[in-house]
Amino acid sequence: EAGVAQSPRYKIIEKRQSVAFWCNPISGHATLYWYQQILGQGPKLLIQFQNNGVVDDSQLPKDRFSAERLKGVDSTLKIQPAKLEDSAVYLCASSLASGSAAYEQYFGPGTRLTVT
Amino acid sequence: QQQVKQSPQSLIVQKGGISIINCAYENTAFDYFPWYQQFPGKGPALLIAIRPDVSEKKEGRFTISFNKSAKQFSLHIMDSQPGDSATYFCAASKGSSNTGKLIFGQGTTLQVKP
Repeated sequence: EAGVAQSPRYKIIEKRQSVAFWCNPISGHATLYWYQQILGQGPKLLIQFQNNGVVDDSQLPKDRFSAERLKGVDSTLKIQPAKLEDSAVYLCASSLASGSAAYEQYFGPGTRLTVT
Repeated sequence: QQQVKQSPQSLIVQKGGISIINCAYENTAFDYFPWYQQFPGKGPALLIAIRPDVSEKKEGRFTISFNKSAKQFSLHIMDSQPGDSATYFCAASKGSSNTGKLIFGQGTTLQVKP
C-alpha cells in the first residue's frame, strides 16, 4: 500500500513570497490533515478535511494560509505572503473516516520550508 | 488544558537497556494516546497506541503504561537498539468528538549507544 505522498520535499523562498505544498493521501482515506512542525517541537494541526469539507481550521492563520481539497482526494496548502516564522516542516497525514482505525493517522515525509 | 507534556527532552541509553519516556495530560476527554517515532528527514510513524480502558499494551519491545487517575502514560522500550535512535512523540486525541485532532508532546530525542 502506497503511503502519503508530498511534494516538494524542500523549498526555500524569501519572505513575502508565496509557496504551495501538495499532498496525496493513502487511497481510501477520507480524512486529511495538515500539520506544521517547527524545529524541536511536536507537530501542530493547521487544518483537517473530511472528504472535501473542513472539519477543523481553528489554528490556521487564515490571513496568510489557505488550503483546499476540491475533489476529496489531493490537497494543496498555500502560504501567501510567507513570514520568517513560517519556516518549518509541513506534514500531511491521512486516516480512515470512521471506525476504530480512524484514530490512526499516517504521515507523509513532509515539506521542509525555509523562509529567508 | 489541551497540552500534553513530555519528558525527558533527550535520553541516552546503552544498547540492551530500557528507555522510558513519560507524558502527562490534563484533558480527561482525551480517549486515544498514540506514540510516534520520527527519524531525521521522515514523517512521524505510528508506533503503538492505547485507549484509557486498559492500563498496559505491549507490542514486541514497545510497551505503553497508562495511569488514568494520574493522567499519565509512558513508553518503555525494552532491549533498546541503536536502530531505535530517533525522536519519539506522545500524543492525545479526543476521538470521541470525531475530529481525530492529535495534540503532540514536545518530543524526546533518544540515542542508543552501541
